[in-house]
Amino acid sequence: TQTVSQSDAHVTVFEGDSVELRCNYSYGGSIYLSWYIQHHGRGLQFLLKYYSGNPVVQGVNGFEAEFSKSDSSFHLRKASVHWSDSAVYFCAVSSSNSGTYQRFGTGTKLQVVP
Amino acid sequence: NSKVIQTPRYLVKGQGQKAKMRCIPEKGHPVVFWYQQNKNNEFKFLINFQNQEVLQQIDMTEKRFSAECPSNSPCSLEIQSSEAGDSALYLCASSLETKNAEQFFGPGTRLTVL
Repeated sequence: TQTVSQSDAHVTVFEGDSVELRCNYSYGGSIYLSWYIQHHGRGLQFLLKYYSGNPVVQGVNGFEAEFSKSDSSFHLRKASVHWSDSAVYFCAVSSSNSGTYQRFGTGTKLQVVP
Repeated sequence: NSKVIQTPRYLVKGQGQKAKMRCIPEKGHPVVFWYQQNKNNEFKFLINFQNQEVLQQIDMTEKRFSAECPSNSPCSLEIQSSEAGDSALYLCASSLETKNAEQFFGPGTRLTVL
């Protein structure tokens, strides 16, 4: 079964804290992984991606993510969050075995308390 | 920032009515995807195109939706006979490649079926 799992539905942190949002997947073949952010009532904005090479990838607004093949994970991190980072974050996966479109997790709602 | 345009932003229809939404992909992007995001943040891939040709579509799309991406015109997605379960955010994304490439999302069309 091919799945994308975001185990935390909600995460609350204080402004200036670090945060890690978790994503695990189970897909075969070569993997393309992305993270997106969705502010309330808006479309998805791309944060970063991984396909090959350095497993730690840098994205916009200070976000980074680390790919781990052994853990089947692609966790998103930020060292110091701002209140404007409050949004829903989605992990997405596509693989060479499963077609051209992305499969999305059900999202993690990040709330940053000022 | 994404330049994918989706219209209308909001659409309200009665059950059994047709519901049509449009998408203008980013300039130069030959690949267009349609996804459905429900209120539980579950994403469902509907259909994708490369230029005017359908690449993949799910069974539901084949039976109840009609979609096209004519040259020099907006792409469109139309539900032939709306059902309550079709109420969702419909997201259009465009990309330079069919896979392993960033997808740029529009703001979505929020459909409410009464």
